Amino acid sequence: DAGVIQSPRHEVTEMGQEVTLRCKPISGHNSLFWYRQTMMRGLELLIYFNNNVPIDDSGMPEDRFSAKMPNASFSTLKIQPSEPRDSAVYFCASSWAGRTQETQYFGPGTRLLVL
Amino acid sequence: GEDVEQSLFLSVREGDSSVINCTYTDSSSTYLYWYKQEPGAGLQLLTYIFSNMDMKQDQRLTVLLNKKDKHLSLRIADTQTGDSAIYFCADGGAGSYQLTFGKGTKLSVIP
Repeated sequence: DAGVIQSPRHEVTEMGQEVTLRCKPISGHNSLFWYRQTMMRGLELLIYFNNNVPIDDSGMPEDRFSAKMPNASFSTLKIQPSEPRDSAVYFCASSWAGRTQETQYFGPGTRLLVL
Repeated sequence: GEDVEQSLFLSVREGDSSVINCTYTDSSSTYLYWYKQEPGAGLQLLTYIFSNMDMKQDQRLTVLLNKKDKHLSLRIADTQTGDSAIYFCADGGAGSYQLTFGKGTKLSVIP
């Protein structure tokens, strides 16, 4: 049973370039989360989707960040233009959310370095 | 907003027990979680406890919950070098799909 799949696993880019991170949630899960992890700020929730609809994007840092979920099996997080301070590990997680909180399962992360 | 606090570092000798502590502020938390992150990897769910329980045991892992004091702990018996990792405590509030994570406790196991 495949877990959450993220690609690429590593990304090195130059400041100003567009970066697109991809996520495939666990089949059957209806909630998807994007997190960012840095040494300084720890793990931050950027956005979460329920049934492909963005429910809370209050954690998205600024307009340079955007996320989409065109269908139940795919989501993207885009940074345009990228800046060195965006360097971090970006995690995607999914869960099945019913009436109560359900366990989130994390992908392996994308390690982004913006030069 | 809600908050989850953990100490940042813990060092133990191989074979000893490790106890990682966590406090949270959300009184409506329904589930509390422990995740493990090994170097260069994602977060792996270790165990979780429902808020109406006070203890859960799973092999070498024991979770204790003191709901009155909003205190959660993870005990790892017979700690091994492979247990070296960062351990995150997280709480899920009632009616919320979000988790609030602590900053993680880095466990170092000394051979």
